[in-house]
Amino acid sequence: SSELTQDPAVSVALGQTVRITCQGDSLRSYYASWYQQKPGQAPVLVIYGKNNRPSGIPDRFSGSSSGSTASLTITGAQAEDEADYYCNSRDSSGNHLVFGGGTKLTVL
Amino acid sequence: QVQLQQWGAGLLKPSETLSLTCAVYGGSFSAYYWSWIRQPPGKGLEWIGEINHGGSTNYNPSLKSRVIISVDTSKNQFSLKLSSVTAADTAVYYCAGLRDGDYGFYYYYYMDVWGKGTTVTVSS
Repeated sequence: SSELTQDPAVSVALGQTVRITCQGDSLRSYYASWYQQKPGQAPVLVIYGKNNRPSGIPDRFSGSSSGSTASLTITGAQAEDEADYYCNSRDSSGNHLVFGGGTKLTVL
Repeated sequence: QVQLQQWGAGLLKPSETLSLTCAVYGGSFSAYYWSWIRQPPGKGLEWIGEINHGGSTNYNPSLKSRVIISVDTSKNQFSLKLSSVTAADTAVYYCAGLRDGDYGFYYYYYMDVWGKGTTVTVSS
């Protein structure tokens, strides 16, 4: 399959931990990257590879992978983390990129 | 620090050709695959295609018949053309730089630099 599946919406209480997941067959061969997008803004890379954070991304963001599922974990969610999150990977052919449908994170 | 600046026509009529260009400033032009991504209003991200500095391309199969991505290494620019547009092509279009890495058997790809986006509306 060339698709990546995400839950449409997730909520978390302020300061608590939340996991956002991404499922797809291609994730058995490729690590996902994760992007945060706030309204009216371009996506921002938050996690790539096994568990790498670009400069400037808080260490409360972490990534993991198991089988066909990749996960983005926010430990101690903050109000500013409220956003849409997208996973991304090569598809099983290796020639195309695919995005998950996105997860809207609400911080309560 | 790589930065991307994109431009192009924002209002098109059905059947016209969308044309966008993205200029790359700073960093190594050859270190990236240069990509286009779009986002229809209220919807998710869709990968359109990519090109490397040598001109090798990959396209989304659903758009392949209408898309051409080209590169001008002398200007550190790359461009998108999407023909025969319809209202379904109305979206914010982003250019982005894609990099790759590996841990031996496992590979990863990531886009760590993005343009600000261009809103393209297709309407008669």
